Amino acid sequence: RKEVEQDPGPFNVPEGATVAFNCTYSNSASQSFFWYRQDCRKEPKLLMSVYSSGNEDGRFTAQLNRASQYISLLIRDSKLSDSATYLCVVRQGSQGNLIFGKGTKLSVKP
Amino acid sequence: GAGVSQSPSNKVTEKGKDVELRCDPISGHTALYWYRQSLGQGLEFLIYFQGNSAPDKSGLPSDRFSAERTGGSVSTLTIQRTQQEDSAVYLCASSLPPAGYNSPLHFGNGTRLTVT
Repeated sequence: RKEVEQDPGPFNVPEGATVAFNCTYSNSASQSFFWYRQDCRKEPKLLMSVYSSGNEDGRFTAQLNRASQYISLLIRDSKLSDSATYLCVVRQGSQGNLIFGKGTKLSVKP
Repeated sequence: GAGVSQSPSNKVTEKGKDVELRCDPISGHTALYWYRQSLGQGLEFLIYFQGNSAPDKSGLPSDRFSAERTGGSVSTLTIQRTQQEDSAVYLCASSLPPAGYNSPLHFGNGTRLTVT
């Protein structure tokens, strides 16, 4: 089983749609969780951290289920500018390295 | 302030030659990571330095790959006897000490390595 798994997509959605991405991780000792965004031929950038109680940042909502070792990202009212690859990232332990999922590609169409 | 700086931005080398890739992290960032990304693929973890701790080398694909970090700052990734499958974008990232959530990764622009 891969350490961090994501549905590769692509997800093709119209503007205004709500889209959800899922991610599972294999190491139960993982401590910190993040969503990064990567535009084509660019470096990844932090989108948001994922807190145990769930957290929201504008149109973006992240949730964590430690029991199921599952992370999600919900994007509401999607915009053309949301088109990118969304990377699920998990820290191994409290001081360990960061493992990236392969990413889910999102394409928002007019 | 200055971000993570990587050099060279592009490198073309012949199969069998050695290459060195350099990363200058953000000042004060004690954590430094190397990843590589092949076209259309995800980020593959290579090596992780955190302060004075022994580096986590678990992601290095073979003994042709090595990395060091001098003085807790600049890092060099060396690939010996390059092979065509080494062709990828090599990304360096740095962060503050990874204590919790207040230490996101800051990536450099990467070095695009092409082995001919």
